[in-house]
Amino acid sequence: QKEVEQDPGPLSVPEGAIVSLNCTYSNSAFQYFMWYRQYSRKGPELLMYTYSSGNKEDGRFTAQVDKSSKYISLFIRDSQPSDSATYLCAMSVGTDKLIFGTGTRLQVFP
Amino acid sequence: DADVTQTPRNRITKTGKRIMLECSQTKGHDRMYWYRQDPGLGLRLIYYSFDVKDINKGEISDGYSVSRQAQAKFSLSLESAIPNQTALYFCATGGTGNTGELFFGEGSRLTVL
Repeated sequence: QKEVEQDPGPLSVPEGAIVSLNCTYSNSAFQYFMWYRQYSRKGPELLMYTYSSGNKEDGRFTAQVDKSSKYISLFIRDSQPSDSATYLCAMSVGTDKLIFGTGTRLQVFP
Repeated sequence: DADVTQTPRNRITKTGKRIMLECSQTKGHDRMYWYRQDPGLGLRLIYYSFDVKDINKGEISDGYSVSRQAQAKFSLSLESAIPNQTALYFCATGGTGNTGELFFGEGSRLTVL
């Protein structure tokens, strides 16, 4: 069993839709939770960061962590074609080594 | 210029050849990492280094070696390349902040025939 599980998609939604991306994990010691966005032919870039449980909002993006269920989510409101990318969840026990999910490919069509 | 630069960006080689992928950074970070990305498998850690004298194996280090020549340079070598090492390789750096954020290069696509 992988430490971090993520549905690879692809997920295809119309512009303006609310998108929900999710990851589950097995290591209860994870404390740092991140979402990276990766455009085609580019390296991943940090999108959202959360420490421990709770919610964090940044513009159209909301990250949620539920440590009791070992489940994290990323919500994208009013999705845009420019949001089309692969979204990778990542988590770690400390700050030195991230474990990544497989990534979910998102396509937002006009 | 990019903060994390990888060379070459694309490479095609043959089975048994020695290959080196190079990474240099201008972010002044101590921590450097090599990951490989494969469809359906995501990013997997090969090696990481916290400073010039510190090298650590990741989850898939077999068949690979690394060298930290300076704080800003971290190279990955495949001593005898094999086809299942065909993948997209990423170098990343991490600062000393408390978020664990990594900064990635643009990737090196390696094809082993």
